[in-house]
Amino acid sequence: SAVISQKPSRDICQRGTSLTIQCQVDSQVTMMFWYRQQPGQSLTLIATANQGSEATYESGFVIDKFPISRPNLTFSTLTVSNMSPEDSSIYLCSVEGGAGTEAFFGQGTRLTVV
Amino acid sequence: AQSVAQPEDQVNVAEGNPLTVKCTYSVSGNPYLFWYVQYPNRGLQFLLKYITGDNLVKGSYGFEAEFNKSQTSFHLKKPSALVSDSALYFCAVRVPNTNAGKSTFGDGTTLTVKP
Repeated sequence: SAVISQKPSRDICQRGTSLTIQCQVDSQVTMMFWYRQQPGQSLTLIATANQGSEATYESGFVIDKFPISRPNLTFSTLTVSNMSPEDSSIYLCSVEGGAGTEAFFGQGTRLTVV
Repeated sequence: AQSVAQPEDQVNVAEGNPLTVKCTYSVSGNPYLFWYVQYPNRGLQFLLKYITGDNLVKGSYGFEAEFNKSQTSFHLKKPSALVSDSALYFCAVRVPNTNAGKSTFGDGTTLTVKP
């Protein structure tokens, strides 16, 4: 299993500013995933972060808006840049240990942009 | 491409009654199937998974699910629902060595158990 510490748990930010979300995993993992979720809705994958390489972004998400760092096998950050109210959402980080293993999720960051 | 369908946005059951949350999938290859639960203001928690072997898998909190290959389904069940089971449930599928190892999640089903 993996335990993920994600912070901040919530924040209220002014439009035009940026917020960096951190995820710390208690074990080394190859792949980390960043999702966005509207409350009560499905998960939308933003990007996959592998250590030592640039993140791979899903359609509709770009690096300039959501830069990701993955400096080692236990840590990653997602920055939401130049925020607008449309970025208000829950952001989740996740890891999957390998074939046949389940995903583990952070507690989520509830972001409100005003 | 792989996909997951949860045909019901909402499932309502009375406490003590059996519950079923439906999931069907579409993949090329042999799937790994998962159920996750999300309580309010929390991240997703793993409930159970099917990898191989017995089609009936048992998981946390008394939940179970049956893998049906011919119907490409993996419905979540519990014989007797509790009010505390009320939450958002996600089905997910992953096929080894495809889709860059990413899981595909369904849209979620909100389960409400009434006393």
